[in-house]
Amino acid sequence: AQTVTQSQPEMSVQEAETVTLSCTYDTSESDYYLFWYKQPPSRQMILVIRQEAYKQQNATENRFSVNFQKAAKSFSLKISDSQLGDAAMYFCAYRNAGNMLTFGGGTRLMVKP
Amino acid sequence: EPEVTQTPSHQVTQMGQEVILRCVPISNHLYFYWYRQILGQKVEFLVSFYNNEISEKSEIFDDQFSVERPDGSNFTLKIRSTKLEDSAMYFCASTKRQGGDEQFFGPGTRLTVL
Repeated sequence: AQTVTQSQPEMSVQEAETVTLSCTYDTSESDYYLFWYKQPPSRQMILVIRQEAYKQQNATENRFSVNFQKAAKSFSLKISDSQLGDAAMYFCAYRNAGNMLTFGGGTRLMVKP
Repeated sequence: EPEVTQTPSHQVTQMGQEVILRCVPISNHLYFYWYRQILGQKVEFLVSFYNNEISEKSEIFDDQFSVERPDGSNFTLKIRSTKLEDSAMYFCASTKRQGGDEQFFGPGTRLTVL
């Protein structure tokens, strides 16, 4: 079974600074997808960024980028120029070719003005 | 922008009662999912549904749970006889395709079993 681990229950960053959220996963499969979801206090989860395992290039979406290390099974999220609106729970998730998303335990990100 | 909706936002029920949680997925999506999140814990997969059939389910999804797409727009999760440990946030999600497609999540229904 796949597992996803987020080792940082809470992180704090100063507004305009950069923060990196860690995620590791365990799988025996070679073809899979990785996601970062953001869950603001309103509770609706929103996709931040996605990475296909077969792509070596790290995904980037504006201020959000990932460091995907397939051999190490690591998938960290970097948020640049942090904004107050970035404050939320962040979930790392794994999905194989099927349907099921497996989530990590989440990291609560606080942004200080 | 189309979104997944869920009703009710909060449901309180007595232990042993049946509850039905409702979801309206995005209209051109074909794959539907239920997840739950017990307070302070991980989001956990319950079930996926495609072409009017369950395509995958987790160990949590036992005989007390069932899903249905009764009318082509709603997607429901029924818990037949609720237990205290069923108290959680229940999220519905939908996607057009499998694999790397984004799963769009609804806002959730908070179920409280007393």
